[in-house]
Amino acid sequence: ILNVEQSPQSLHVQEGDSTNFTCSFPSSNFYALHWYRWETAKSPEALFVMTLNGDEKKKGRISATLNTKEGYSYLYIKGSQPEDSATYLCARTNPGTYKYIFGTGTRLKVLA
Amino acid sequence: DGGITQSPKYLFRKEGQNVTLSCEQNLNHDAMYWYRQDPGQGLRLIYYSQIVNDFQKGDIAEGYSVSREKKESFPLTVTSAQKNPTAFYLCASSIGLRTGEVKSNQPQHFGDGTRLSIL
Repeated sequence: ILNVEQSPQSLHVQEGDSTNFTCSFPSSNFYALHWYRWETAKSPEALFVMTLNGDEKKKGRISATLNTKEGYSYLYIKGSQPEDSATYLCARTNPGTYKYIFGTGTRLKVLA
Repeated sequence: DGGITQSPKYLFRKEGQNVTLSCEQNLNHDAMYWYRQDPGQGLRLIYYSQIVNDFQKGDIAEGYSVSREKKESFPLTVTSAQKNPTAFYLCASSIGLRTGEVKSNQPQHFGDGTRLSIL
């Protein structure tokens, strides 16, 4: 994997369903993996930053895991609510650099 | 409250005209960034600055210029050389140098964006 890739590109879920999506990235020369939530008409908001293989982070109903050896991170949303509707972005950084390399995002729509 | 302010929210450019997008932050962050977003694409890095009076080209710098004369400000000029400037532009900042160590394990903070269109 040369770039940061996110899947699926978009999905619709019913309110109350749990869902998850994937961020895949080059595993070599890894420093940190970032997740952001970007709601329509707002600015992207940081959710998690993870650096260590096996890291798990949680914020309310949202959690994320990190596998740096195989180059992927999962974002989970438990019991989706309409206010979870947003685009979820991930980005990776390399050591010694300020560049954040973003994926194209997963657009989530939670139907009431 | 601390944050990033981008202006204007909407901007129109005539053919052959340079336009400047403003980005100001009061978070005391060292590093600042400009991204461009096109439909169906992720955020692409135009320029970034690690510290005052220093900046580096990102992946799509052609047709753009920046300056970093003050820590708080990182304006982006879209020049007439940028042939396809219609896009959504996001400015961001992050904690930068701490005793010389790059801190890219810190989250970025974003402005609300500027949408640029061609007249």
